[in-house]
This record gives sequence, structure tokens and C-alpha cells, in this order.
Amino acid sequence: TQLLEQSPQFLSIQEGENLTVYCNSSSVFSSLQWYRQEPGEGPVLLVTVVTGGEVKKLKRLTFQFGDARKDSSLHITAAQPGDTGLYLCAGVTGNQFYFGTGTSLTVIP
Amino acid sequence: NAGVTQTPKFRILKIGQSMTLQCAQDMNHNYMYWYRQDPGMGLKLIYYSVGAGITDKGEVPNGYNVSRSTTEDFPLRLELAAPSQTSVYFCASSSRNGPGELFFGEGSRLTVL
Repeated sequence: TQLLEQSPQFLSIQEGENLTVYCNSSSVFSSLQWYRQEPGEGPVLLVTVVTGGEVKKLKRLTFQFGDARKDSSLHITAAQPGDTGLYLCAGVTGNQFYFGTGTSLTVIP
Repeated sequence: NAGVTQTPKFRILKIGQSMTLQCAQDMNHNYMYWYRQDPGMGLKLIYYSVGAGITDKGEVPNGYNVSRSTTEDFPLRLELAAPSQTSVYFCASSSRNGPGELFFGEGSRLTVL
């Protein structure tokens, strides 16, 4: 079993604050993905990072893949209520996608 | 474009009953997956398939069976339902071009009493 631990598990912040979510594993992955899930829906892909040390930016979201391809982080700048949701990292190896434990983010207006 | 369609959305079962969760995708994806999501536990892979006629176990296959007779359909069968199978089940598909992206259905919430 490929275990991915996310921290924190829960996060409640005020609108405009910055935050970072971490995804850590002892396993090496060929790529790592971040998904966002809203209540009653399936997860939706935000980004895929492939190369160790890679940094990708999507508007206010910055994703980084660790040099050893075992961990990743998601940083949100100036959080907005629309960012509220469950954030899941997923390590990809072979044909399988292994999901992290999830971080539930609430952004308070 | 429907994407991944799961039925039913909600179901209550009694202990020992059996049922099938249906999953269909219209994107001609070869890869299909079944996950279960429990509170605070993320998504756990039950079974997956890399094409019609080919299935393989994931992390938590016990108590479940699957079949893949067509590219479009990937049903998940629960035999002798147990309270531990109370969960939200997600079906997903991927074309696996490059790293691949998982496209999820809306989920099926199952309660076993």
C-alpha cells in the first residue's frame, strides 16, 4: 500500500489569508496530482506535476513536487470562499492512483 | 457530454443483501477504477481495469467483485453486504495519455444496516 499523508486534515481560515497544504509519502511516484472535491461531487483534477522540483502556478494556487518525487505542497494565496472544499493529493505509479487522506478547507468570508 | 455516470446515487441495504453499483463512461477510456471514500480516510482503490476483459485488485478488494465486458461499463458487485461497506463509492475513468487524469462520477452513497 502506498500511503500518502496530508496535513493539516482540517483548515479554517479568513478570506484573504494564505495557506499551505502538505502531501508526504515514503514512496516515489512517477507523477503527483492534486484534486479538489466539493460536497456531493467527485474530485476534479487541478494539476499534475511530473518532474522532481517542479513548480506549477494556477492563478492563486502554487503546486510544488519534491525533489525526490515523494512529497508535494499546495499553496493558496489570498484565499477566497470559492476555494472551500476537500483537497486531495494523488500519487501515480504504473496504472494506479493512490490518494492522500485529504485536507478539508473552509474559507470564511 | 455525460462523462462518467453512476447509479444509483443512494441505496440502503440490509446485512447480507447483495447489489450492483453501475458505472458507465462515454469517453472511450480504457482505464476504469472503483474507489471508496470514508470520512477522514481519503479514497481507497477497490478494483481497476485497463481494458475490456481485464480487471485487477486494488488496496481493499475483499467483499467486492467487478467485471469489464465492454469498454463503457464497469459494474461493482457487493456480495453479502456488511456494515463495514457503508461508504461513498466513486467510479473513475482515464485515457492514460501521459500521466493521465481521472474523471470521476458523482458517487453512490451506500448504507448497510
